Amino acid sequence: QKEVEQDPGPLSVPEGAIVSLNCTYSNSAFQYFMWYRQYSRKGPELLMYTYSSGNKEDGRFTAQVDKSSKYISLFIRDSQPSDSATYLCAMSGQYSSASKIIFGSGTRLSIRP
Amino acid sequence: GAVVSQHPSRVICKSGTSVKIECRSLDFQATTMFWYRQFPKKSLMLMATSNEGSKATYEQGVEKDKFLINHASLTLSTLTVTSAHPEDSSFYICSAKTSAGTDTQYFGPGTRLTVL
Repeated sequence: QKEVEQDPGPLSVPEGAIVSLNCTYSNSAFQYFMWYRQYSRKGPELLMYTYSSGNKEDGRFTAQVDKSSKYISLFIRDSQPSDSATYLCAMSGQYSSASKIIFGSGTRLSIRP
Repeated sequence: GAVVSQHPSRVICKSGTSVKIECRSLDFQATTMFWYRQFPKKSLMLMATSNEGSKATYEQGVEKDKFLINHASLTLSTLTVTSAHPEDSSFYICSAKTSAGTDTQYFGPGTRLTVL
């Protein structure tokens, strides 16, 4: 079983729709949860970062962490064609200068105009 | 803030040659840098963790003599692909962590290597 599971998609929704992206994980030691956005042929860009459980909102983006279910989500409201990209969830167990981040496989999202 | 650059962005080389890729943190000091490899439509595969002034730690299955990593300063790490072969063709991405604060990594734009 992979440590982090993420549906690869592709996911296609019309412009303006609410998008829900999800990941599940198996390692209960994970405490730091991140979402990255990656455009084609570019490096990943950090979108959201949360520690432990709870919600975090930043503009049209909301990140949710449910540690009891080992489930994290990213919601995108009022989706735009420019949101079309691959979204990677990522998580790590503890803060240290050398701690590794485990990435999901990424979900390809396409927003139709 | 937290900008990471990579150079070159694309490189094409002949089989058997060596290629050096640079990763720089432009506006912060990075005690730790990471090198990843990414195949088309796949996620990031961590190759090695590089700490300033010490030897890199390689992931299982990554040949350290093939992929030489040097982290000579707090703002620069280099990856040299030695005696490159076509199977080394890939997208190589570095990331850097700040020396304090959160556990996040900031990624460079990536380098696309094509070995003919």
